[in-house]
Amino acid sequence: GAVVSQHPSWVICKSGTSVKIECRSLDFQATTMFWYRQFPKQSLMLMATSNEGSKATYEQGVEKDKFLINHASLTLSTLTVTSAHPEDSSFYICSARDDAEMLPGELFFGEGSRLTVL
Amino acid sequence: GQQLNQSPQSMFIQEGEDVSMNCTSSSIFNTWLWYKQDPGEGPVLLIALYKAGELTSNGRLTAQFGITRKDSFLNISASIPSDVGIYFCAGAVSSGSRLTFGEGTQLTVNP
Repeated sequence: GAVVSQHPSWVICKSGTSVKIECRSLDFQATTMFWYRQFPKQSLMLMATSNEGSKATYEQGVEKDKFLINHASLTLSTLTVTSAHPEDSSFYICSARDDAEMLPGELFFGEGSRLTVL
Repeated sequence: GQQLNQSPQSMFIQEGEDVSMNCTSSSIFNTWLWYKQDPGEGPVLLIALYKAGELTSNGRLTAQFGITRKDSFLNISASIPSDVGIYFCAGAVSSGSRLTFGEGTQLTVNP
């Protein structure tokens, strides 16, 4: 099946620094990728939709200057948490849709990235 | 906006028992998906449903797409310890639309 890989799987950083998380589709092309945030014991919250070659679409309440998304190729999207603060600590998960997949709706998820801001 | 109500929120069962969980919505979805998430991992797709009334199996898992397109259920038969995790339902309106997730069902299986 389709494989989506995230890196790093976990990161600890100091408050005020920026952190970049990569999301790669390993065996398929993905024009569209999605970034989610998940707090403990809660569901996935969609942050933004990443579109290759164009600006990301952010969900209401998500600061686009805080969470920078770049989707520069059909297999890579990056999420940069800028000037991170402790409240940004969370589990960030990306997902991707296979451009060649004819069935609607299926998304494949990365392994997630645990961010801890000290 | 669209919401999915998933129940139960948590389940504690004995190994070998069958499990059932469901999701309901106030609006119609044209795709229903069921995912399982292990601790510290991303969700893994278990079953995808594309047609109202569709009943699909994947090993010991069976899921159905409700005829009204506003609900879906997932059954796990003869549970085993590795079934432990959080199960999420998700719905999509169309092929290009975002997924809406349920709140999740935390499953604990006691050996």
